Amino acid sequence: GQNIDQPTEMTATEGAIVQINCTYQTSGFNGLFWYQQHAGEAPTFLSYNVLDGLEEKGRFSSFLSRSKGYSYLLLKELQMKDSASYLCAVRDSNYQLIWGAGTKLIIKP
Amino acid sequence: ETGVTQTPRHLVMGMTNKKSLKCEQHLGHNAMYWYKQSAKKPLELMFVYNFKEQTENNSVPSRFSPECPNSSHLFLHLHTLQPEDSALYLCASSRSSGEADTQYFGPGTRLTVL
Repeated sequence: GQNIDQPTEMTATEGAIVQINCTYQTSGFNGLFWYQQHAGEAPTFLSYNVLDGLEEKGRFSSFLSRSKGYSYLLLKELQMKDSASYLCAVRDSNYQLIWGAGTKLIIKP
Repeated sequence: ETGVTQTPRHLVMGMTNKKSLKCEQHLGHNAMYWYKQSAKKPLELMFVYNFKEQTENNSVPSRFSPECPNSSHLFLHLHTLQPEDSALYLCASSRSSGEADTQYFGPGTRLTVL
């Protein structure tokens, strides 16, 4: 079966750096997405990786290793507003999105 | 504001009621999706419409009935629901369903079935 694994919950301190990991086993691969979802709000698109390597976008970076079935989202200079759930999703060979259960990130002052 | 709106934001209904959820996208997209989001579970894809044609139905019970009158509007008609159907129902859209396009989500309807 197809599977996306990510930690259920993580805690970090304001101003610090946190890395949220995502491992996947899917039927084919056509890209990996990271979304941010604040409680009670819409998931919003953060990043898309289809080739190996690091994609940087301001304070957020996303890394992909297709051979290892692995990605991470790196958040730098954490702010209180970064408290949210972070969803990892992989597009399989049928272009269907397979979703992880999300990682709830708690930022403490 | 993602360009995808959903109404109502909250809905409480009994098991014998009939209600409808509405989604509208202002992004000029051609594909629209319904997802179910339950606590601590992955998003579950329910239905996909591409150019108003249903292209995906992930074994969803018939008590959920989608309708897509045009590329900008999507409805989910609900009848005879069960308490386990209580969840956040998310609508999303993308340029097309068959390519590696980013999906943009609405804020969801929080549904409670009593």
